[in-house]
Amino acid sequence: GDSVTQMEGPVTLSEEAFLTINCTYTATGYPSLFWYVQYPGEGLQLLLKATKADDKGSNKGFEATYRKETTSFHLEKGSVQVSDSAVYFCALSEPSFGNEKLTFGTGTRLTIIP
Amino acid sequence: EAGVAQSPRYKIIEKRQSVAFWCNPISGHATLYWYQQILGQGPKLLIQFQNNGVVDDSQLPKDRFSAERLKGVDSTLKIQPAKLEDSAVYLCASSPGPSGRALEQYFGPGTRLTVT
Repeated sequence: GDSVTQMEGPVTLSEEAFLTINCTYTATGYPSLFWYVQYPGEGLQLLLKATKADDKGSNKGFEATYRKETTSFHLEKGSVQVSDSAVYFCALSEPSFGNEKLTFGTGTRLTIIP
Repeated sequence: EAGVAQSPRYKIIEKRQSVAFWCNPISGHATLYWYQQILGQGPKLLIQFQNNGVVDDSQLPKDRFSAERLKGVDSTLKIQPAKLEDSAVYLCASSPGPSGRALEQYFGPGTRLTVT
């Protein structure tokens, strides 16, 4: 079945540091890939997505590129801020009319210190 | 646009008791999902509704969990009787669906259940 493997946390960085959170996936078809973020006390919200190979998703300074050859979708940000402290989830969805369920990784907790 | 609403936000019960969670999706969203998120893990799909019909409930422990979506809008998830391992955050999400494309799912704040 489909699965997502994420870099284990927690990850602690200083403000303005470079961030990479690794994500690899296993899927039978051609999935769409997502990064969701969960800020303290809030629900999950979509950070970015990519729907086909070589697509780059970007939002709020974060980027991730869909790499089919390495089955990866690593999340990067050039300069993190304290406000980026959250839990980040990598997820995939196999296109299926009426059954687009998400399969999540275990999440990576990120803490940015001033 | 109002987001996905869930209640209660927190619930503490003893094992073998019953509990119910409520979800109100974003207006007009046809698809509704219930996820279970155990501490330290990613959310796991329990059940997916398309309007008021069940699309996928393969991961729902049907001996104790039940869910319904009357009139294709609000939904309730019930656990009866609860076990210690049911302690988790229960997330409701909705999306416009279906489309065959990767549509964004919008999540509610979740209900944190503690079973003692």
